[in-house]
Amino acid sequence: QKEVEQNSGPLSVPEGAIASLNCTYSDRGSQSFFWYRQYSGKSPELIMSIYSNGDKEDGRFTAQLNKASQYVSLLIRDSQPSDSATYLCAVRGEWRGSYIPTFGRGTSLIVHP
Amino acid sequence: SQTIHQWPATLVQPVGSPLSLECTVEGTSNPNLYWYRQAAGRGLQLLFYSVGIGQISSEVPQNLSASRPQDRQFILSSKKLLLSDSGFYLCAWWASYRITEAFFGQGTRLTVV
Repeated sequence: QKEVEQNSGPLSVPEGAIASLNCTYSDRGSQSFFWYRQYSGKSPELIMSIYSNGDKEDGRFTAQLNKASQYVSLLIRDSQPSDSATYLCAVRGEWRGSYIPTFGRGTSLIVHP
Repeated sequence: SQTIHQWPATLVQPVGSPLSLECTVEGTSNPNLYWYRQAAGRGLQLLFYSVGIGQISSEVPQNLSASRPQDRQFILSSKKLLLSDSGFYLCAWWASYRITEAFFGQGTRLTVV
């Protein structure tokens, strides 16, 4: 059973601060990793994808991957109230000949003014 | 570009009634299609996935079924709804190779009363 674990939160940070979201996964064979943002009542939208160990930056967002420790994180710099949402971690690896994605339960982020 | 159409957006159904949710994809051929359910405050639960016409894999035994009558069409059904079937249903497209993100439909909010 492949598992993806996230702290459900809520994580509360002041506007302008750095928000740090973490995710751990159980399947060492996992090959691709994704962070999605989901506003209440809406479908998830992709924020970042990462495939290699290290950091990947895109604007205010940085994804970090450590395959040896089996964790992936998302940093949001200069957090804004509009960043308040649930952040879902998704991991993809081979399963029964297909690349089945597994989602974590999500971390609720609240950015207060 | 890929587009996923999912309808209806909201649905209120009595216990014991049937269900049919439809999802169609544009802009790609032979997509891998997925049905997820998200209960209030919970993560995405994978219900079914399909790698081709007539090919359905079920991840969780339950009161639901799925069909793939055409390459770009994926249908979620139930003969008799239960209260526990309430939730937010999402159709998603993942490419068959490992390094791609998911594209989601807008979701269907189902309330069983």
